[in-house]
Amino acid sequence: DADVTQTPRNRITKTGKRIMLECSQTKGHDRMYWYRQDPGLGLRLIYYSFDVKDINKGEISDGYSVSRQAQAKFSLSLESAIPNQTALYFCATSDGGSDEASFGSGTRLTVV
Amino acid sequence: GQNIDQPTEMTATEGAIVQINCTYQTSGFNGLFWYQQHAGEAPTFLSYNVLDGLEEKGRFSSFLSRSKGYSYLLLKELQMKDSASYLCAVRAPGGGNKLTFGTGTQLKVEL
Repeated sequence: DADVTQTPRNRITKTGKRIMLECSQTKGHDRMYWYRQDPGLGLRLIYYSFDVKDINKGEISDGYSVSRQAQAKFSLSLESAIPNQTALYFCATSDGGSDEASFGSGTRLTVV
Repeated sequence: GQNIDQPTEMTATEGAIVQINCTYQTSGFNGLFWYQQHAGEAPTFLSYNVLDGLEEKGRFSSFLSRSKGYSYLLLKELQMKDSASYLCAVRAPGGGNKLTFGTGTQLKVEL
């Protein structure tokens, strides 16, 4: 089983719809992140959380919200999806003593 | 601001050595990472440098010069499976792994 699991793997949704992307981890890490990846732009940080009560905006948080339901769960919501939110979304985790982040397999989101 | 530059594409021959460069200009620095990403898959950690010098790990080595804002990833004895995108990322100060990524270098290994 994957250490960092994202659901769904693929999703097509319509403009204006609300959608939630979910991430869960079994690594026991306290820190979780959401990134999006677009061709030619690389990975960009949307939100990050250092523990259950800590939520922080990243580089491109407009149009997104997050919820840290538990140490192991971090969900990303698009309240009203728009086509330029079409991208590959990655969840990542790390702990305080580690230098590396572990990434989930990604969610490919298409907004039509 | 944050600016990380790396070449868009490189091609190399199986068995050869390739060097992928990365230059950065960031408002803070707390380490530089290299990740490998195969198409449609998650990035996987390759190496980490926070002090100047060379870090070697098997066929992969990474070098950092903080004064020059420069790093490179060296891949030796190239294999076809090394065809992937290589992402350079700088970690911001303040804890955690808030990473600013370059756009990645797509490496193609040919026979």
